[in-house]
Amino acid sequence: NAGVTQTPKFQVLKTGQSMTLQCAQDMNHEYMSWYRQDPGMGLRLIHYSVGAGITDQGEVPNGYNVSRSTTEDFPLRLLSAAPSQTSVYFCASSYGTGGRETQYFGPGTRLLVL
Amino acid sequence: LAKTTQPVSMDSYEGQEVNITCSHNNIATNDYITWYQQFPSQGPRFIIQGYKTKVTNEVASLFIPADRKSSTLSLPRVSLSDTAVYYCLLRGGNTGKLIFGQGTTLQVKP
Repeated sequence: NAGVTQTPKFQVLKTGQSMTLQCAQDMNHEYMSWYRQDPGMGLRLIHYSVGAGITDQGEVPNGYNVSRSTTEDFPLRLLSAAPSQTSVYFCASSYGTGGRETQYFGPGTRLLVL
Repeated sequence: LAKTTQPVSMDSYEGQEVNITCSHNNIATNDYITWYQQFPSQGPRFIIQGYKTKVTNEVASLFIPADRKSSTLSLPRVSLSDTAVYYCLLRGGNTGKLIFGQGTTLQVKP
């Protein structure tokens, strides 16, 4: 299994541009999430999904959209990039949401918005 | 979601045992206590999880007192490669939310 994969690894955007960060998992996990991590900070939840067709907001959802058309994929869209969105983005997945489920994280996407 | 509190940073030396305590006074009945480890430029990695008493795996031990208002992650004989950020989280219920705190930065010195 490849686990959780993210593309691209690194991206530079200009203010106002849009882009999609890709996340895929091959573990047949129902639950997927997106986090951002700013320098020296912990992870903050952006959006999450409890299954195909179902998404919900996390702590910091503004400026981001998500959709979940398949179990495997959970893309994160930046509608109009701003310098404040410069961060490292992590995608994660888990089999379930019960208290014992372990989340598996991808390698991250480093985003720089100029 | 209940909040967790951990020390911001800790220093240790190679070969020592390290104990990181996490406070979670408002833990819910269905919350499990989970610890993750994160190295620079990598995503967090699951270390250990428990509900009560003691749990041990090949990497660490987790001690949880009867009232469950705190937990202690114990790393035996740390090495330089254990230098990382350690996060304590509570996870419970039918939700996809997993809220990370600031974590504890452990620096292991030679």
